[in-house]
Formats: sequence, C-alpha cells, structure tokens
Amino acid sequence: QKEVEQNSGPLSVPEGAIASLNCTYSDRGSQSFFWYRQYSGKSPELIMSIYSNGDKEDGRFTAQLNKASQYVSLLIRDSQPSDSATYLCAVRVTGANNLFFGTGTRLTVIP
Amino acid sequence: SAVISQKPSRDICQRGTSLTIQCQVDSQVTMMFWYRQQPGQSLTLIATANQGSEATYESGFVIDKFPISRPNLTFSTLTVSNMSPEDSSIYLCSVGTGGIYGYTFGSGTRLTVV
Repeated sequence: QKEVEQNSGPLSVPEGAIASLNCTYSDRGSQSFFWYRQYSGKSPELIMSIYSNGDKEDGRFTAQLNKASQYVSLLIRDSQPSDSATYLCAVRVTGANNLFFGTGTRLTVIP
Repeated sequence: SAVISQKPSRDICQRGTSLTIQCQVDSQVTMMFWYRQQPGQSLTLIATANQGSEATYESGFVIDKFPISRPNLTFSTLTVSNMSPEDSSIYLCSVGTGGIYGYTFGSGTRLTVV
C-alpha cells in the first residue's frame, strides 16, 4: 500500500513567518520524495526533491527527510503572499516509475 | 527538464461523447503518465503510456474508457470515452525519470461534462 498523507489544512501564516508542511508515507521502499506547488487552476510545479536523510536547502525552501520515521517536510522561510498555494507531497517507491501523491496542504500567507 | 505542451486547455462536452487530449514533449521520454485531478482532490494515476507497448492502467481505470496512444517517444494522447458528468476533472500528463529534475506536468485539461 502506497499511501501518502498530508494535513489538508488550511494552514495560515503571517507574511515573513516560517511555514511548515508535513507529509508521512507508508511504503518503506520509497526512495524519492518531491514537493510540488499548485496554484489554483494551474498544474503542479516541482519546487523540491530529496533522496537522502537530512535537510536540503534551496533558497527559502528546505526539505527534510527522515526515512526511519517515514516523514518528509517542507519549510518555507520568510513566507510571502505569493507562496499561497496548495503544496503536494509526492513519493516514488522502489519498482514504480510514477509518483504517489498526498492530498495536499493548502497554505495561505496573510499580508 | 522537459517542456510539455498539452491541449486542449479546457473543454465543455456533452455526455456520451468522447474527448481526446494530446501531450507533446520537447524531448524523447521513455514513459509518460496520465493523471486525473478531481475537484478539490489530489492527483490519481490513470495509466502509464509506454511507447511500443500497451498502456498500463491503474486499478479502477480501463482501456475502453480511457484509451491511450503512444506513437513515438515525444507524443501521447488520452481519450475520455462515453463521458458522464463524473468525468468532469482536470487531466494531466507527466513525464520524468524521478531523478534530480523530478517529474514535469503539462498545463492540464479542464474537462466539464454536461
């Protein structure tokens, strides 16, 4: 079973704050993890990928992976109103070529 | 990463009719994926389109309802057949290898069946 779970939110943070988005997955064979941002009416856009335990930083975004706990998170520092979107966690498991998606967390950054 | 052109971007169709969605990629890719995103929901994989062989369908999706073509490594079509209002959704094609560039999505087709 390849479940990916996210808190659906909505999550509201003030502008300039840190937004923390969480995701858990059930398949221990998962090997690649992705965070997508999806604006309303648009297709998903890849913002981060992570494969190894630990942190990966890219600008204001940090992805964190803990395979032992089957947990992946996304931190957005200095949140901006333009970050308001739905964030989708996606997982690729061993033996599969496609991605399995969580239900997404809707983030609102309040000016 | 690959660039995908998907069309149509949206359509309103009568029930019982069919719609074919096209995806053109700017580079050769081994696998293309077709997803459905129902209103307010996440993405569900319909099938994997393989060049030179039949598509691989996920549980709950059948070839008669969602026939897929993959004539070459840069192009694929998904047809939604004998449509009903329950087929109203966004349909997305995607390509990728799962490497550092992840998976790229087309711009999506917003389908409304009336």
